[in-house]
Amino acid sequence: GAVVSQHPSWVICKSGTSVKIECRSLDFQATTMFWYRQFPKQSLMLMATSNEGSKATYEQGVEKDKFLINHASLTLSTLTVTSAHPEDSSFYICSARRGGANVLTFGAGSRLTVL
Amino acid sequence: TQLLEQSPQFLSIQEGENLTVYCNSSSVFSSLQWYRQEPGEGPVLLVTVVTGGEVKKLKRLTFQFGDARKDSSLHITAAQTGDTGLYLCAGVRSNQGGKLIFGQGTELSVKP
Repeated sequence: GAVVSQHPSWVICKSGTSVKIECRSLDFQATTMFWYRQFPKQSLMLMATSNEGSKATYEQGVEKDKFLINHASLTLSTLTVTSAHPEDSSFYICSARRGGANVLTFGAGSRLTVL
Repeated sequence: TQLLEQSPQFLSIQEGENLTVYCNSSSVFSSLQWYRQEPGEGPVLLVTVVTGGEVKKLKRLTFQFGDARKDSSLHITAAQTGDTGLYLCAGVRSNQGGKLIFGQGTELSVKP
């Protein structure tokens, strides 16, 4: 079955630093990947759509200069949280879509804690 | 405003009881999915419904898609402690690039 790997699974950083989270589709090519953010006891909020070879499409209210997304290959998308602050602490989850199917495979998530 | 209204948001029941979770919207979805998520993990797909009026069963779980494809429900029969978790409905709207939009989620706790 389709597998999506996220790395790191958890990260702690100091305020003001930048953190990169990777999302890899291990056994399929993903032309589209999605990045979500989830606060405790809440649902997933779509942040952006990452398309291979083109600029990401950000949801309303998401700062594109704050959350940099790069989708340089068909198996890898990265989310960089720049100049992280404590309010950026959250669970970040990616998902990948195989081909033209509407079924997404989710990664296990990356928990970011900014001190 | 929330595109997908999920209710209830919290549910605590005894083992053996039945329960239903609802997912409602004023928008039409080309498909609707139900996920279950454990703490610290990504959501895991339970089922996808595509056709209006469709009913799918997964052991003790019954999923239904409304005739107008605007709403869905998840019914669990004889809940077990292992059913405890966060249940999420998520919809795909036509011409939205395949974006999956999630409801608020239902935190289910099944007590022994």
